[in-house]
Amino acid sequence: SQQGEEDPQALSIQEGENATMNCSYKTSINNLQWYRQNSGRGLVHLILIRSNEREKHSGRLRVTLDTSKKSSSLLITASRAADTASYFCATDDTDKLIFGTGTRLQVFP
Amino acid sequence: NAGVTQTPKFQVLKTGQSMTLQCAQDMNHNSMYWYRQDPGMGLRLIYYSASEGTTDKGEVPNGYNVSRLNKREFSLRLESAAPSQTSVYFCASLRFGTEAFFGQGTRLTVV
Repeated sequence: SQQGEEDPQALSIQEGENATMNCSYKTSINNLQWYRQNSGRGLVHLILIRSNEREKHSGRLRVTLDTSKKSSSLLITASRAADTASYFCATDDTDKLIFGTGTRLQVFP
Repeated sequence: NAGVTQTPKFQVLKTGQSMTLQCAQDMNHNSMYWYRQDPGMGLRLIYYSASEGTTDKGEVPNGYNVSRLNKREFSLRLESAAPSQTSVYFCASLRFGTEAFFGQGTRLTVV
């Protein structure tokens, strides 16, 4: 089974609202990453948070990491229609990079 | 820089045929990966190579083989394609502990 499980599986919001998606994982990690995938395209890296960090910001993105709970969250503030995409967390398990199941975000204008 | 280049972009195979998906990166990364993505699903790791000369199984290796030809190139081979292998395949590379870079994907249909 996949290392990361994300919830919700799907999320629909209006432009301007915030979107929060969560990722849980199973084993110890060195870092956790979030990626975005537009329909039919390759994945694009958004942000990386190391295991000794608790929170990280990048523009409208805020990521938190709780290693005691083996969980992370991605917050997108003031969402835009262009944020519509699938979002995946990924964790490194020794030399492997394992992806979660993803959250499909739909932002309505 | 080209980043990660995958070929072909599209392929249709008949059941039982074989093919090799090619992947090359120009970022001098040690680690390379092959994933498959089925409709509405996440990426599942097929095989990976942590360094030149090494390869290891991922989550779903059955029916596939890989070759790490050199530091730049990592190929994925389907010896006898099956309809269950219809998927989109992604190659990725990274310097461990940093972000991964992905190819644009290969859409494979097995009929």
